[in-house]
Amino acid sequence: DVKVTQSSRYLVKRTGEKVFLECVQDMDHENMFWYRQDPGLGLRLIYFSYDVKMKEKGDIPEGYSVSREKKERFSLILESASTNQTSMYLCASSLWGQEQFFGPGTRLTVL
Amino acid sequence: KNEVEQSPQNLTAQEGEFITINCSYSVGISALHWLQQHPGGGIVSLFMLSSGKKKHGRLIATINIQEKHSSLHITASHPRDSAVYICAVRDKGGSEKLVFGKGTKLTVNP
Repeated sequence: DVKVTQSSRYLVKRTGEKVFLECVQDMDHENMFWYRQDPGLGLRLIYFSYDVKMKEKGDIPEGYSVSREKKERFSLILESASTNQTSMYLCASSLWGQEQFFGPGTRLTVL
Repeated sequence: KNEVEQSPQNLTAQEGEFITINCSYSVGISALHWLQQHPGGGIVSLFMLSSGKKKHGRLIATINIQEKHSSLHITASHPRDSAVYICAVRDKGGSEKLVFGKGTKLTVNP
């Protein structure tokens, strides 16, 4: 079974802090994704990576950056957390043209 | 950009009922996904289809490419089917990005 793990289930940070969210997949997938999910808005793509060191902006990249130094790991970075970044963050991975496998999610609260 | 509409937004059913959730999209696609999200956040892929029909246990997914419409059916519904069901489409053109519907919240009462 494909396993996608995220570093934390719940995280509380203060405004202005730098926040790292880590995602690891164990099935050698080329593609990895970071989404945020908010009530009434559904899932929105923040960033996408299709290979090591390659990244592509999604629909809402402002305020976020990403890093993919190894194929299995995709990190989401909030350079200076703000309260409007309080959300559920979901990571996913896939092979080209195939279904996406999701991690359990990180519920981030920024105070 | 593709727009994905799901209906209904909320659905309450009695155990044993036949359930249908609908999904419409605006632009041609390479594939459509149905996903399930239980309370607590985890999302599981149920189906990926580009034509016809797929069946897995009590779940059936159909797609009509000409009408840009897909349905997810649940036969003999059970309280454990209670979840949010999300439709997502992948545009033609080789992108791996998905466009998501807002989801349908299903509650099945015993």
